[in-house]
Amino acid sequence: DVKVTQSSRYLVKRTGEKVFLECVQDMDHENMFWYRQDPGLGLRLIYFSYDVKMKEKGDIPEGYSVSREKKERFSLILESASTNQTSMYLCASSRQGLNTEAFFGQGTRLTVV
Amino acid sequence: GDSVTQMEGPVTLSEEAFLTINCTYTATGYPSLFWYVQYPGEGLQLLLKATKADDKGSNKGFEATYRKETTSFHLEKGSVQVSDSAVYFCALRANQAGTALIFGKGTTLSVSS
Repeated sequence: DVKVTQSSRYLVKRTGEKVFLECVQDMDHENMFWYRQDPGLGLRLIYFSYDVKMKEKGDIPEGYSVSREKKERFSLILESASTNQTSMYLCASSRQGLNTEAFFGQGTRLTVV
Repeated sequence: GDSVTQMEGPVTLSEEAFLTINCTYTATGYPSLFWYVQYPGEGLQLLLKATKADDKGSNKGFEATYRKETTSFHLEKGSVQVSDSAVYFCALRANQAGTALIFGKGTTLSVSS
């Protein structure tokens, strides 16, 4: 089975802190994604990556950056956490190619106080 | 741009009732369509998918048919169970490389015994 592992289930951080959310997949997938999930808004794409060191902005990239130094790992960085970044963050991966589904991690619930 | 619209919830049903969750999409070309399910406290899991017009995806008693003429992908189940209580997300992926899944806002289903 494909496994996508996010490093933390729950995080509490202070306003202004630099926050790293880590995601690792074990199926050699080319594509990796970061979404945030908020009630009433569904899932919104923050960033995605289709290859090592490559990244594309999603719908809501402001306040975030990403890093993909190795194929299996995709990190989301909150440069200076703010309370409006309190949310559930979901990492996903998929094979390259058309029609492929994405596999999701368990999510990280981040609270910024 | 591409988008997905699904019926707002919550949907509240009694066990063994018939379920329909409506989903329509806007996209150029021929996207792939997906239904994902999120059980409480978990990440998203793929429920079913369809990759071309008139395809029917099915899994665990759930079905959805890709209708190009009505740009729809409605989710149905003939007899729901309490264990089906979850949030259901409709999603699409454009039929080209380097694209991410686009999600609807999700529909919460609550089934009582």
